[in-house]
Amino acid sequence: AQKVTQAQTEISVVEKEDVTLDCVYETRDTTYYLFWYKQPPSGELVFLIRRNSFDEQNEISGRYSWNFQKSTSSFNFTITASQVVDSAVYFCALSEARDRDDKIIFGKGTRLHILP
Amino acid sequence: DAGVTQSPTHLIKTRGQQVTLRCSPKSGHDTVSWYQQALGQGPQFIFQYYEEEERQRGNFPDRFSGHQFPNYSSELNVNALLLGDSALYLCASSFTVGDTQYFGPGTRLTVL
Repeated sequence: AQKVTQAQTEISVVEKEDVTLDCVYETRDTTYYLFWYKQPPSGELVFLIRRNSFDEQNEISGRYSWNFQKSTSSFNFTITASQVVDSAVYFCALSEARDRDDKIIFGKGTRLHILP
Repeated sequence: DAGVTQSPTHLIKTRGQQVTLRCSPKSGHDTVSWYQQALGQGPQFIFQYYEEEERQRGNFPDRFSGHQFPNYSSELNVNALLLGDSALYLCASSFTVGDTQYFGPGTRLTVL
């Protein structure tokens, strides 16, 4: 069965520090997608990244970077030089491509506090 | 370019009542999915609509039903409301089945 685990419930860091959010997933599929979404206090889920299981290259987008390691079933997210506006709940998620299964399985989220 | 929109923003109902939530997808998107997010939890998939039909369903009872209209907008209906139905209901749209899902701001439903 598919499952996403975000072991860190809540993290607090001081502004400008780097922070890594951990994500471990379980799936029996060989083809799947991994996601990160951000949920600020307004409640709307903001799409950050989608990565397919065949692409293990790390990705960098500005201050955000993602490390995908199939060997450990992990898809970690790092924010460099954090800012107060990064405070939000971050969700890691998984969808399996078998039978065009479109449902996204979310982790429970990590609440990130960036302190000024 | 408007994103996904949902109405209403907030809703308060009592147990046993019925509720209808509405979603307009992002321009150019034809697929709509609905998720329920309880407080402190990640969203859970309810169902997905494509070509006006429910093509996939999560583990939710038949009290949860939906509809998709020819303009791709969608409704989520919940009958016989329970206290446990209190949650944020999120709609997501995608360009087509299998594409990235973009979420709306949600409707917060409170059942008293």
